[in-house]
Amino acid sequence: GQQVMQIPQYQHVQEGEDFTTYCNSSTTLSNIQWYKQRPGGHPVFLIQLVKSGEVKKQKRLTFQFGEAKKNSSLHITATQTTDVGTYFCAANTYSGAGSYQLTFGKGTKLSVIP
Amino acid sequence: DGGITQSPKYLFRKEGQNVTLSCEQNLNHDAMYWYRQDPGQGLRLIYYSQIVNDFQKGDIAEGYSVSREKKESFPLTVTSAQKNPTAFYLCASSKGGNSYNEQFFGPGTRLTVL
Repeated sequence: GQQVMQIPQYQHVQEGEDFTTYCNSSTTLSNIQWYKQRPGGHPVFLIQLVKSGEVKKQKRLTFQFGEAKKNSSLHITATQTTDVGTYFCAANTYSGAGSYQLTFGKGTKLSVIP
Repeated sequence: DGGITQSPKYLFRKEGQNVTLSCEQNLNHDAMYWYRQDPGQGLRLIYYSQIVNDFQKGDIAEGYSVSREKKESFPLTVTSAQKNPTAFYLCASSKGGNSYNEQFFGPGTRLTVL
């Protein structure tokens, strides 16, 4: 099935530094979703990108969808300790008979050093 | 208070025993999903259901079974045929099975097979 590659797997940053995680696919994506999972918690939906070249912002978080709709990125400006967690991208893939399933990247685990 | 509940939070079983994980939602969502999460592996889809009395295998269905007799409930049975059942299991739901619906996750059940 379709794979979504996410890098880096881990990222340690000093509080106040920026952070970026990247998501890449070999095929064109219809849309991409981003989720955040706090330590010990469950994934929580952050945002969905649909259009080629789309950029969306949520406070210090900036999400981009590539022009070819094969890659996406999440950038956090001036990280805070509350940003700690694992960030997942997820792409919808058609699984037949009108069904779609989310294929998740392996995630980027962000640690913030105070 | 709407949401998804999973019980129990922690579950211990002896090797060779079947075990059923509960998932209930009161969001009136049509679609429900089961994921398995292992360290460094992201989320992998086990089974999903878009409508009552119907479900499909995901990427790693072997050794698992599900039922969808009610819209609100989607229990997962981990059978003795599952070779490595120790993992964190997440249930999710969405309004429908199309590719643009965000998924809402339950708190998860951490299963340990001794």
